[in-house]
Amino acid sequence: IAGITQAPTSQILAAGRRMTLRCTQDMRHNAMYWYRQDLGLGLRLIHYSNTAGTTGKGEVPDGYSVSRANTDDFPLTLASAVPSQTSVYFCASSAGTSGGELFFGEGSRLTVL
Amino acid sequence: LAKTTQPISMDSYEGQEVNITCSHNNIATNDYITWYQQFPSQGPRFIIQGYKTKVTNEVASLFIPADRKSSTLSLPRVSLSDTAVYYCLVQPYGNNRLAFGKGNQVVVIP
Repeated sequence: IAGITQAPTSQILAAGRRMTLRCTQDMRHNAMYWYRQDLGLGLRLIHYSNTAGTTGKGEVPDGYSVSRANTDDFPLTLASAVPSQTSVYFCASSAGTSGGELFFGEGSRLTVL
Repeated sequence: LAKTTQPISMDSYEGQEVNITCSHNNIATNDYITWYQQFPSQGPRFIIQGYKTKVTNEVASLFIPADRKSSTLSLPRVSLSDTAVYYCLVQPYGNNRLAFGKGNQVVVIP
């Protein structure tokens, strides 16, 4: 059972370039999330989706966009990357819209130069 | 987003019981309290969830007082492999806008 799969695992990107981080889950979970993790700042929510076709803004949504065309996929796009978006990005999913366990991917390390 | 406050870090000796506290003064009636553990270079993983009083599973216990404005995660007889960051979060009912915060770095010393 794969659970949550993120790609790429690691990427170095020039500032100004467009980048999409991919996230796929095979658990048929309704809710999905994107977090970024930076030293000293913990995990911060970027965007989330309660169910396919809906998305919502988290704590730090600026500079990022998401889509939820189907249940399994929740890509995160940086339209024009900036160095401050250098971070480790974690995708997660959960079964329902009322709490419950979040399952995380292994993370995508992004460096913007 | 419901806010939680945790100590930044703490040390404990191997074999001791470790109690990790979390403050959530603005918790709402229908909110649950959940704890996660994160090892370096890995995503967080679920430890335990509770609403009030005490919850115990095979790895930890969660103590929640009557006013629910704080909670304590208890890890019995920690080992070196329990060195990790521990996150407490408040999960609002019907809302997936979940904030993890900065967590508490626990270091287990031999």
